[in-house]
Amino acid sequence: GAGVSQSPRYKVAKRGQDVALRCDPISGHVSLFWYQQALGQGPEFLTYFQNEAQLDKSGLPSDRFFAERPEGSVSTLKIQRTQQEDSAVYLCASSLRSPNYNEQFFGPGTRLTVL
Amino acid sequence: ILNVEQSPQSLHVQEGDSTNFTCSFPSSNFYALHWYRWETAKSPEALFVMTLNGDEKKKGRISATLNTKEGYSYLYIKGSQPEDSATYLCAFISTDKLIFGTGTRLQVFP
Repeated sequence: GAGVSQSPRYKVAKRGQDVALRCDPISGHVSLFWYQQALGQGPEFLTYFQNEAQLDKSGLPSDRFFAERPEGSVSTLKIQRTQQEDSAVYLCASSLRSPNYNEQFFGPGTRLTVL
Repeated sequence: ILNVEQSPQSLHVQEGDSTNFTCSFPSSNFYALHWYRWETAKSPEALFVMTLNGDEKKKGRISATLNTKEGYSYLYIKGSQPEDSATYLCAFISTDKLIFGTGTRLQVFP
């Protein structure tokens, strides 16, 4: 496909369950970002990859959150022992190179609801 | 803590009105400022990437200006149409971190 895709689009998890959210960036895009968007807020930065290297994970809210991009393309955001406060839309975005100069292309997001 | 603020939070205008909103950001360590348009049930789409103080960019009826010294950017929409209804997000880039504002929700009534 031409754009960024994310799966699943919707996920309902019971509190304490582990979840994995997938992002397929645009082919050839070096940079990949994960964001968390709570209701009524703008997207908040979680983590950033350049190829397979995770350059910044300062936005991950706790050690229950883990992201990887082992081959520099597809990325997975894993949340362990989900809590209700993890309920949000998780957005993935990719850009050709650095976001200093390149626009980001966003996926449709995964809406996570933790019961 | 880097803060990016947008105002107003929401805006309702009549079709044909021109409108503008503001994005305020830290004036230090500036790399770039992005504007995105986010329609309900769709992904955010980039409108502009602005990097230089004094930059002015235009796409159809939408334009934006940038003042990095004082830390603000304006987005203008001329002759608003119902299809312009969306949330407009700005994002400040500093050291490869992209920090979003909370957005301005625009509703254009026919």
